[in-house]
Amino acid sequence: DAGVIQSPRHEVTEMGQEVTLRCKPISGHDYLFWYRQTMMRGLELLIYFNNNVPIDDSGMPEDRFSAKMPNASFSTLKIQPSEPRDSAVYFCASSLLAGGSLQTQYFGPGTRLLVL
Amino acid sequence: AQSVAQPEDQVNVAEGNPLTVKCTYSVSGNPYLFWYVQYPNRGLQFLLKYITGDNLVKGSYGFEAEFNKSQTSFHLKKPSALVSDSALYFCAVRDPSWGGATNKLIFGTGTLLAVQP
Repeated sequence: DAGVIQSPRHEVTEMGQEVTLRCKPISGHDYLFWYRQTMMRGLELLIYFNNNVPIDDSGMPEDRFSAKMPNASFSTLKIQPSEPRDSAVYFCASSLLAGGSLQTQYFGPGTRLLVL
Repeated sequence: AQSVAQPEDQVNVAEGNPLTVKCTYSVSGNPYLFWYVQYPNRGLQFLLKYITGDNLVKGSYGFEAEFNKSQTSFHLKKPSALVSDSALYFCAVRDPSWGGATNKLIFGTGTLLAVQP
């Protein structure tokens, strides 16, 4: 399996611009998570989906952030408008709930976002 | 409130020596505990997990961790460190406030392991 795929790997944009981060989970996984990692706040869970449905978005910092999962193999995290404080590494992770058994989260390589 | 703590920002160890990276947790129910490793410019990689059963859990790359319920700890260990083990290590606990077997995790702040040759 190719693992969790994220694109782009690096993004540099100017304040006020729209940013879209993309994620392809591991095939067959039914949970998808978006995290943000910064030096100041560490690793934060932003939102997660189960079977394409958002379950908990309490970690989404502001209305400027939105996430969608139109199908089982694709998710986006959008920031509009972007601000310098959004600069961070954004990770996507996926997991499988199999037979009621808790499974491991597998992380993508991350997207390093810099907002100027 | 549920939380996980990694009291050391950095651990330094000489190659060949045993290493320990500490983790303590606070949850209301029975914890599910995980260790992940992050190499520079990479995503987090799963090392091992404790769900139930034997308190000593063996994982990838020769790492192991011991679950200690009385001390609410889940320290990561390796008998002989390698320079290539140098990375950022994260402890995580499953948030038991969620029902079912959902996999929402609370991560520690990370411990940087530096192994000197």
